[in-house]
Amino acid sequence: AQSVTQPDIHITVSEGASLELRCNYSYGATPYLFWYVQSPGQGLQLLLKYFSGDTLVQGIKGFEAEFKRSQSSFNLRKPSVHWSDAAEYFCAVGEQAGTALIFGKGTTLSVSS
Amino acid sequence: GAVVSQHPSWVICKSGTSVKIECRSLDFQATTMFWYRQFPKQSLMLMATSNEGSKATYEQGVEKDKFLINHASLTLSTLTVTSAHPEDSSFYICSARDLYEQYFGPGTRLTVT
Repeated sequence: AQSVTQPDIHITVSEGASLELRCNYSYGATPYLFWYVQSPGQGLQLLLKYFSGDTLVQGIKGFEAEFKRSQSSFNLRKPSVHWSDAAEYFCAVGEQAGTALIFGKGTTLSVSS
Repeated sequence: GAVVSQHPSWVICKSGTSVKIECRSLDFQATTMFWYRQFPKQSLMLMATSNEGSKATYEQGVEKDKFLINHASLTLSTLTVTSAHPEDSSFYICSARDLYEQYFGPGTRLTVT
């Protein structure tokens, strides 16, 4: 069955430190992979997506993610975290670009000063 | 970019009443819209897929008689929660699909008292 696993429920990072959020997926075919961010009580904002091509994907707000097929992973990274990055982050997988998505359970990011 | 709106953003209703949530694609036509449900601090779960002019397809375990979905035009889908109960309290998020992308609305928080 298709699934997305985000192993870390909650991560705290110091402001200015680097960040990596993990995402593993289980999918039969080549997946379409997404990272979304959600602030409290808000909808989802797309950070970046991977369909094909270069496995290192650049997104908005200084985020990037790397697709590793051998590890079935799509980890999100940011070299220097800002306090405004504190939010809930969701990894998701879909069959195609516009199909319904399967979401991971999310990782809550807290940023300490 | 493409914008999806939801109305209302927050609604409180009494147990036993019905409430309608609207999802609109503001600057594009969406033949397909998706409805997701998110419990507090949980992931998003797909409830149903709504195709313009046809009956919605519900995910397993979602009561189609309780969550009525209508997709009457290319820019509007509605979700009606009938005979609402406190356990229906949740955050409902819609998304709309154009040719290649899926865009999420800001969500509607439903509280049933």
